Amino acid sequence: EDKVVQSPLSLVVHEGDTVTLNCSYEVTNFRSLLWYKQEKKAPTFLFMLTSSGIEKKSGRLSSILDKKELFSILNITATQTGDSAIYLCAVEARSQGNLIFGKGTKLSVKP
Amino acid sequence: NAGVTQTPKFQVLKTGQSMTLQCAQDMNHEYMSWYRQDPGMGLRLIHYSVGAGITDQGEVPNGYNVSRSTTEDFPLRLLSAAPSQTSVYFCASSLGWGGLYEQYFGPGTRLTVT
Repeated sequence: EDKVVQSPLSLVVHEGDTVTLNCSYEVTNFRSLLWYKQEKKAPTFLFMLTSSGIEKKSGRLSSILDKKELFSILNITATQTGDSAIYLCAVEARSQGNLIFGKGTKLSVKP
Repeated sequence: NAGVTQTPKFQVLKTGQSMTLQCAQDMNHEYMSWYRQDPGMGLRLIHYSVGAGITDQGEVPNGYNVSRSTTEDFPLRLLSAAPSQTSVYFCASSLGWGGLYEQYFGPGTRLTVT
């Protein structure tokens, strides 16, 4: 059975801390892994990863994929209160583009 | 572009009632999908469509029907609402499929079934 597991499920840090969110997966016919940020609304897209070892960066956020060990990490440096959200990892597992989501990591950044 | 729109934003149903959640996109996206989000469960795929006239089941299709008569619209029908269908429903669309296209999400519909 295809599955995506995120850890930790919740995390509380202080502003300025660096955090690493984990996403491991077991899927057939892997095509891509995606990260989303969800505040009190619809998820917004962060990164799409298809190749191992290539880091994607956007400001203080970065992500990398390891297709051999079947996981990805999302790093956030110098966290801010505005980073507080649920971070969702999703894996595209079949050729039709179905996405399987993990349960998410709830990040709370305290001032 | 309005992007992906969903109506209504909130809905309360009684057990056994039926209703349709509307989803529309104006980006000429081929791929559309419906997810439900429950606390601690993440997003789960209900149904999806890879183009007009083509639909398929996702992970949790029971109790829901979809149709795709046009590229723009992808309504989700609840046939006989049950309390287990209390959830937040998101519609999403993307230019294509195969995992290489960003998905755009609608604002969500919060449904409560009593």
